[in-house]
Amino acid sequence: EVQLLESGGGLVQPGGSLRLSCTASGFTFSDYAMSWVRQAPGKGLEWVSAIIGSGGTTFYTDSVKGRFTISRDNSKNTLYLQMKSLRAEDTAVYYCARQRERIVAYFDYWGQGTLVTVSS
Amino acid sequence: EIVLTQSPATLSLSPGERATLSCRASQSVSSYLAWYQQKPGQAPRLLIFDASDRATGIPARFSGSGSGTDLTLTISSLEPEDFAVYYCQQRRTWPPTFGQGTKLEI
Repeated sequence: EVQLLESGGGLVQPGGSLRLSCTASGFTFSDYAMSWVRQAPGKGLEWVSAIIGSGGTTFYTDSVKGRFTISRDNSKNTLYLQMKSLRAEDTAVYYCARQRERIVAYFDYWGQGTLVTVSS
Repeated sequence: EIVLTQSPATLSLSPGERATLSCRASQSVSSYLAWYQQKPGQAPRLLIFDASDRATGIPARFSGSGSGTDLTLTISSLEPEDFAVYYCQQRRTWPPTFGQGTKLEI
């Protein structure tokens, strides 16, 4: 059974940093590209960042470029999102999601999400 | 980027009725469109990909149709557990984008 479990969310002040983790099980992690997708309270879904299976190529939405860094450790079956210079508009539930396709993709499995709140 | 507009914003129906949800794209997505279901407090679940292919374990009452700029999700006979928010998502061009959602309520 495919499982994705996020952790690391919490309350952080504007300008602060946070690192999210997503531990995967039930599939060969290194075979799949992975993404982070966020959902602001009461709002829709927004793709944030993606990384291919080897970790060699990464992608970001414009609003987080230069502030967020996606990475993965295939030996630990874990995906990360390092977030810096956080803003109020980054407040959201962050989901990790497995991609069906390598580059522009659908998302066939999702974690339960971790809430990031940016507030003073 | 491709903008996806879903309609209606809210759809009020009863169990047993047929639901038709629309997703209109600002430019052609061909058939590169997926539909997701999200219930309160839960993660989204993939229902349909490539416009009309059901994901693993999805009941046959869910079907997708259309291509280009006008795509549709149909639920043939609503079950109580189908009342949720539905999102469309395109992978025709970078970046992947989602519609704003349709809330299906009783």
